[in-house]
Amino acid sequence: DIQMTQSPSSLSASVGDRVTISCRASQTIRNYLNWYQQKPGKAPKLLMYAASSLQSGVPSRFSGSGSGTDFTLTISSLQPEDFATYYCQQSHSTPPTFGGGTTVEIK
Amino acid sequence: QVQLVQSGAEVKKPGSSVKVSCKASGGTFSSHSLSWVRQAPGQGLEWMGGIIPIFNVPSYAQKFQGRVTITADKVTSTVYMELSSLTSEDTAVFYCARDRGGSTFDYWGQGTLVTVSS
Repeated sequence: DIQMTQSPSSLSASVGDRVTISCRASQTIRNYLNWYQQKPGKAPKLLMYAASSLQSGVPSRFSGSGSGTDFTLTISSLQPEDFATYYCQQSHSTPPTFGGGTTVEIK
Repeated sequence: QVQLVQSGAEVKKPGSSVKVSCKASGGTFSSHSLSWVRQAPGQGLEWMGGIIPIFNVPSYAQKFQGRVTITADKVTSTVYMELSSLTSEDTAVFYCARDRGGSTFDYWGQGTLVTVSS
């Protein structure tokens, strides 16, 4: 199975900050990388697919980049509703696997 | 708008089985794969398996092979996940999720909490 490693596991930031979350795959996955946002007690929500494509309805302050093994999710200006846990997920091979998550907390 | 509505919370004894349902509406049920994802308390997401209702052939993660059964009822647009030989480590929220293609999960159910306790 492909292992997905996210860093950091948590971070503290203020409203308006630029936030970057990293995700690394244990082998190349080309651009088969998705990002999800999960708030406490809620189901995950798809934010980005194919590494850099924004899911319909997701604000443009979210962006994704990377290919091969290294990927990044960036929030250009953190908003109050963005405090949540973010997961990357590879869709290159079965089984699909998720990173351990990055929790974005209020500073 | 696609909606996935799951069955309610369950409390089970160790060694027993649980069957969770996920009813789909608002989309083309049979042609999309539906998967099940487990999330233990305070932990990350783990894919358990999935099924494409039109083919009715399930696929399982090796970790759960032999212990999980995923089925689909095209008449009621419902997918089921049954997990057997439950232990306390199976205490988790189980989500169904629609795969729009290539293991990209665009719609999720609300989650079903399964608590395994003696």
